Amino acid sequence: QLQLQESGPGLVKPSETLSLTCTVSGGSISSSSYFWGWIRQPPGKGLEWIGNIYYSGSTYYNPSLKSRVTISVDTSKNQFSLTLSSVTAADTAVYYCASDIAVAGTGYYFDYWGQGTLVTVSS
Amino acid sequence: DIQMTQSPSSLSASVGDRVTITCRASQSISTYLNWYQQKPGKAPKLLIYAASSLQSGVPSRFSGSGSGTDFTLTISSLQPEDFATYYCQQSYSNSWTFGQGTKVEIK
Repeated sequence: QLQLQESGPGLVKPSETLSLTCTVSGGSISSSSYFWGWIRQPPGKGLEWIGNIYYSGSTYYNPSLKSRVTISVDTSKNQFSLTLSSVTAADTAVYYCASDIAVAGTGYYFDYWGQGTLVTVSS
Repeated sequence: DIQMTQSPSSLSASVGDRVTITCRASQSISTYLNWYQQKPGKAPKLLIYAASSLQSGVPSRFSGSGSGTDFTLTISSLQPEDFATYYCQQSYSNSWTFGQGTKVEIK
């Protein structure tokens, strides 16, 4: 089964860029069945979808974050990455990466998740 | 954007109770609706996909129903390990959204 692991700095200064990487094991990131997604959760709050990427590089982003978000994929390393620019305290959250499987007739769903990593925006 | 509204936001129930959580979409999403369970400090876990399909390994006391704009997650007999927060999520458009969550607490 798939395993996903987030990595990156736990502390980012305001106005700087947040960068995280998700390493996928137990399967290929080039699978035609999967998108790869980022989801975040501010402390004590609900889940917010950030965006998805396909192994070909096609992306979908949350419209509310689109101007600041870039998701990229490195198939040679079986990794995908998130960058979020011009961060503020409101971007403090646990960031999860997840596999978003597509099955004909059923849509997409996040079937495997990383453990999550807390990113704090503070000077 | 498609907005997802869950009700109630929280509920108190006893072990053995039948629990129902509702999720309403701001427009029709067919059956492109998923349910997740999240326990404190843990990543969400997929319970139900495509409105009513039970994810492998998930106990049969969990069930989902609905189509269009109105969906329901039912726990037929609440167990101690079911106390958690539950989220719905739509995958109809190319912009996924989650409901705000329903916290199930011990009465």
